This record gives sequence, C-alpha cells and structure tokens, in this order.
Amino acid sequence: AQRVTQPEKLLSVFKGAPVELKCNYSYSGSPELFWYVQYSRQRLQLLLRHISRESIKGFTADLNKGETSFHLKKPFAQEEDSAMYYCALKTGTGTYKYIFGTGTRLKVLA
Amino acid sequence: NAGVTQTPKFQVLKTGQSMTLQCAQDMNHEYMSWYRQDPGMGLRLIHYSVGAGITDQGEVPNGYNVSRSTTEDFPLRLLSAAPSQTSVYFCASIPEGATEAFFGQGTRLTVV
Repeated sequence: AQRVTQPEKLLSVFKGAPVELKCNYSYSGSPELFWYVQYSRQRLQLLLRHISRESIKGFTADLNKGETSFHLKKPFAQEEDSAMYYCALKTGTGTYKYIFGTGTRLKVLA
Repeated sequence: NAGVTQTPKFQVLKTGQSMTLQCAQDMNHEYMSWYRQDPGMGLRLIHYSVGAGITDQGEVPNGYNVSRSTTEDFPLRLLSAAPSQTSVYFCASIPEGATEAFFGQGTRLTVV
C-alpha cells in the first residue's frame, strides 16, 4: 500500500535548537518525495523536493531508500519556522497524484 | 498572475443543502485537483483532472462531483451536504511535466 507516515503531530523546540521532522513512506516503485509547508493564514507551498537536493530556508531532507525515510532537518530553528509541515509522495511517473502525510505542527519557542 | 483562486473563503451550509466551491487558475496548468484537510488526517484527494473534459476520482470522492469544461476552472459540487463534509478544502494545480503543486488559499466549510 502507498502510504506516508508522519509520526509526530506536534513538535516543540526552542529557538536555536536542531529540528528533525520525521517522514516515512511505503511505496513499491521509485519514490518522488516532497515537503510542503503551511504558515499561519497562508496557502500550502512547496518547501523541498528530494530530486533537487537543495537547502531551502536552512532546511534539508535526504531520501533514505533503505529506511524508506525522508526526514526534514534544520540545524538551528528560528521562530519564523513555526508552521504545519506535510511530507508528500508523488505516485508514479507521469501522474500528478500526491499522497500526503498527516502533517507535523512545528512550534519554535523563544 | 493570480495563481490558484478559490471562492468562497468561508461557507456555512445546512445539512442537505448543495453548493459549488469554485477554483480557477490562470497559469494554464493541465492538472487540477481537490483535497480536503481534516485534523489528524492530512490532505486527502477528492477528485482530480488531467485536462479539460477529463476527471477522475481520488481517495474520498463520495458526496462530491466535479467537471472540467475549461482549462482554467475546476468546480467542486457538494450534492447534499452532510456534517462529515465539514472541512477545509484546497484546490491545487500542476503544470504539465512538472511536479510542484500550486495551492489555493482554501475554503473553510462548516455543515450544521
């Protein structure tokens, strides 16, 4: 079955502390994985995609096919990182369907 | 470009009423989709369309209808609203050959 699991509903960290938002997936093919973010009162927007291997706003995410994980990391959290984060799996080449995880709310405390 | 525009932003319906959530995009994207966002359940795909005249069901299609008569518009119709359809609804579009989804600002629907 195709599935995306985000085990933490809420993650609270202090400003300056490292952050890791967990994402595990179940997919039989070659996965395309993404992180989307939703800041308060804003629309959902793309943060990272695994194929570009980029760092956006200090966040990185590495695809680990052995552990079927795509965890989102940032070494030093900022208050403006507080938001809802969704891990998403694109189901197959040539399709445009996403499977989203249940989301993790990140709260960065001053 | 306005991007993806959803109307209305908020709506309260009585059980049994019908209504249409509007979604329009001005980016000439072929792929459009509707999701509902519920606490603890993330975003679930309701219906999607790969182009004008073509629609298909997603994960949770029951109680919803869609049509795609133009590239720009992808309305979602609730046939007979039920309290279980209380949710936040998001429309998204993706350009052909790309992977990034562009989302609307959402419609918060309450069915009483």
